[in-house]
Amino acid sequence: QKEVEQNSGPLSVPEGAIASLNCTYSDRGSQSFFWYRQYSGKSPELIMSIYSNGDQEDGRFTAQLNKASQYVSLLIRDSQPSDSATYLCAVNNGGGGNKLTFGTGTQLKVEL
Amino acid sequence: KAGVTQTPRYLIKTRGQQVTLSCSPISGHRSVSWYQQTPGQGLQFLFEYFSETQRNKGNFPGRFSGRQFSNSRSEMNVSTLELGDSALYLCASSLTGMGSPLHFGNGTRLTVT
Repeated sequence: QKEVEQNSGPLSVPEGAIASLNCTYSDRGSQSFFWYRQYSGKSPELIMSIYSNGDQEDGRFTAQLNKASQYVSLLIRDSQPSDSATYLCAVNNGGGGNKLTFGTGTQLKVEL
Repeated sequence: KAGVTQTPRYLIKTRGQQVTLSCSPISGHRSVSWYQQTPGQGLQFLFEYFSETQRNKGNFPGRFSGRQFSNSRSEMNVSTLELGDSALYLCASSLTGMGSPLHFGNGTRLTVT
């Protein structure tokens, strides 16, 4: 079982719709959770950080964390073509230091 | 504030050679991490340095090594290059480590022929 799992996609949504991206993790001791966006040929860019159960909102982005279910999600409201990218879920298991384990990413396509 | 700076952006090496990659973190960031990204394996953790000490190490062979200087700048070295080392090498810095988010540089694209 992979430590951090994501559906590779592609996930296609129409412009203006809500895109829902999901991630599960295996280590119950995980304490910090991050979503990164990566455009083709570019480096990952931090979108959201979440540390406790519940929702964390920033503009059109909402991260949701459920530690009991070992599940973290990212919602993108009013999706735009510029949101088309690969979204990486990353988890820090809190074992000391700042080692992040990344999922393989979900490719999102926002269609006109 | 300037972001994470990696040099060089592109490198072409032949098998058996060695290579050194450089990373300057965001000012004030003391933790520097290195990741390898390939299409097949995704982002794989190499190592993390904090205050000149290696704090975490991933599952890579000893050919991969790194260090951090007193100004938090970091270098990564790969010796005896193999074809499979062709990848995007990403450096990331964070304020303190211990759960703070990583901020990535633009990466160094290494091609081994």
